[in-house]
Amino acid sequence: NAGVTQTPKFQVLKTGQSMTLQCAQDMNHEYMSWYRQDPGMGLRLIHYSVGAGITDQGEVPNGYNVSRSTTEDFPLRLLSAAPSQTSVYFCASSYGTYNEQFFGPGTRLTVL
Amino acid sequence: AQKVTQAQTEISVVEKEDVTLDCVYETRDTTYYLFWYKQPPSGELVFLIRRNSFDEQNEISGRYSWNFQKSTSSFNFTITASQVVDSAVYFCALSEWGAQKLVFGQGTRLTINP
Repeated sequence: NAGVTQTPKFQVLKTGQSMTLQCAQDMNHEYMSWYRQDPGMGLRLIHYSVGAGITDQGEVPNGYNVSRSTTEDFPLRLLSAAPSQTSVYFCASSYGTYNEQFFGPGTRLTVL
Repeated sequence: AQKVTQAQTEISVVEKEDVTLDCVYETRDTTYYLFWYKQPPSGELVFLIRRNSFDEQNEISGRYSWNFQKSTSSFNFTITASQVVDSAVYFCALSEWGAQKLVFGQGTRLTINP
């Protein structure tokens, strides 16, 4: 099993550009989520999904879109990148929020 | 609303010392789950433990132990005889029943000096 994979590992964007962070898991988990990690802020939930076709907002959803067309994939889209979105992004999957979350290796994003 | 507070931003100790990382949580729910995760310098997030609100037994795993006290809404983590490899950022997290969200504390950066 590959577990949770994320691409790319590093990305530099200019303000206003858009991009998609990819996340995939091969554990047949229904629950998937995106977090951003900023110094001193811990991990903050951006969006989550409890199954294919179902998504909802987390704590800091502004500027991000998600979709879940399959159980395996949960991409995160930045519509118009801003310097405030410079962060490390983690994707996670699990059987539910009451279970161990399996995290991807993270994507380090810099917006200039 | 669920909230987790890790008041200790950074802790630095000398190897072989015992160290306790504090975690205080807030919830209005009677059913909830608490977690600890470790983030070593390499950056990945590693699951350490899960505890549900109905199980207040302390947990010990090798040099690691966890003290869950509902009366003080705390779920503290102790490392006994610390080692340099324990250096990492440690996160406490809370999930309320039905909330479908996992809320993390700010994290505690632990440095073990040789």
